[in-house]
Order: sequence, then C-alpha cells, then structure tokens
Amino acid sequence: DAEITQSPRHKITETGRQVTLACHQTWNHNNMFWYRQDLGHGLRLIHYSYGVHDTNKGEVSDGYSVSRSNTEDLPLTLESAASSQTSVYFCASSESSSSNEQFFGPGTRLTVL
Amino acid sequence: GQSLEQPSEVTAVEGAIVQINCTYQTSGFYGLSWYQQHDGGAPTFLSYNALDGLEETGRFSSFLSRSDSYGYLLLQELQMKDSASYFCAVRAGGFKTIFGAGTRLFVKA
Repeated sequence: DAEITQSPRHKITETGRQVTLACHQTWNHNNMFWYRQDLGHGLRLIHYSYGVHDTNKGEVSDGYSVSRSNTEDLPLTLESAASSQTSVYFCASSESSSSNEQFFGPGTRLTVL
Repeated sequence: GQSLEQPSEVTAVEGAIVQINCTYQTSGFYGLSWYQQHDGGAPTFLSYNALDGLEETGRFSSFLSRSDSYGYLLLQELQMKDSASYFCAVRAGGFKTIFGAGTRLFVKA
C-alpha cells in the first residue's frame, strides 16, 4: 500500500546544530508540504514543492530549507537549530486534483535544547 | 494578512449534533477543507468545498458560503470516537493550504 513516512519520529538536538528531517512518500504525488504544529497555532506551512526541483516558501520558512531531487522525498533541514524550533513537524503530500486532499505522515517530534 | 477563525473548544453530548464554524480572510481562495486529528495522531482529511453549498459524507457534512467567507463542519449522531481536534483549511493558491488553529471537540457520555 502507498504511504508517507517520516524519520526520525523523535529527535533531541542542541542549539546551533544542523538537523535534517526525512519525508518519503510512495503515492507518486507531485505536491509535498512541510508543516509545524504548536499549541494554539494549528498547522503552519514551512515549505512546499509542486515537483522535482521546485520549492517554495510558506508562512514560517525562516531557518528552514528544503530540496526536491526526486518525486518521493522532501527532506527538511534546520540549518542552525534554535529552541523556538522545538515543535512537532508533519510532512504531507497531495495529487494535483480538485479534491485538495493532503495525506499526512505520522510526524516528528523535535526538541532543541 | 491571512487568517482563519474557529472556536477553540466545543463540548457536546453523545448522539447530539454539533456545528464547528470557520471564517476566513485570505489573499486567495480556491476552497475550504476540514481535517480531523486525534491526540498524538496525524491530521486526516474529511471534506473539501470549492463551491457554495452543502457536501455530505456519512455523519459529517460541510458547508461553504464564499460571499460570507464562512464555512462549517456539521457532525451528526456524535460518538465518543469523534472527540478530536478539527481544523478548517483554505486552499489559498495553487495547492498551498493555510490551516486554522483548530477546534477541540469533547464528546460527553
């Protein structure tokens, strides 16, 4: 069955370190998204991609980067982790269709000390 | 700016009907989605309205009024398993989606 996975599921890191969160989908979806979820803020869009080599900034992109070298993967990199980036991170993917349904991964809980 | 407003919490009794409202103000609008998220889980898609009117899927219905920048999710015959957070989300341009802060629904026996 097609799925979307994230790794690691939990990560603890220190301020200033570079961290990369992986997202892999086997739906063959063109669209992929990264969100962070914090209490009281719902899901906030960090970066998104509509296809290979395409990346776009979302609402809260400062301090984050992504690259899309193939259809299946959209890794999220925190260049220099900050305590304000402690959050739960969700990756999602969708088809380019009228339903706009996004399929979410299980999430990564990141703690920056 | 872009904003979506929905109540932070709603409480209802098992078997009852509950409506969760969402008003939005965004720079672009292509449609309104609703997602459900149980504690510790990932959001799951419930519905999408691109045009005005009511869409029904089993016990859940979703409504959109584009002229009022307003929509709602209606949950009927509430069950304990419906206790979760519900998010409205606007497709703001292309396939970019902006989410509201979520409504926590508590279903009491």
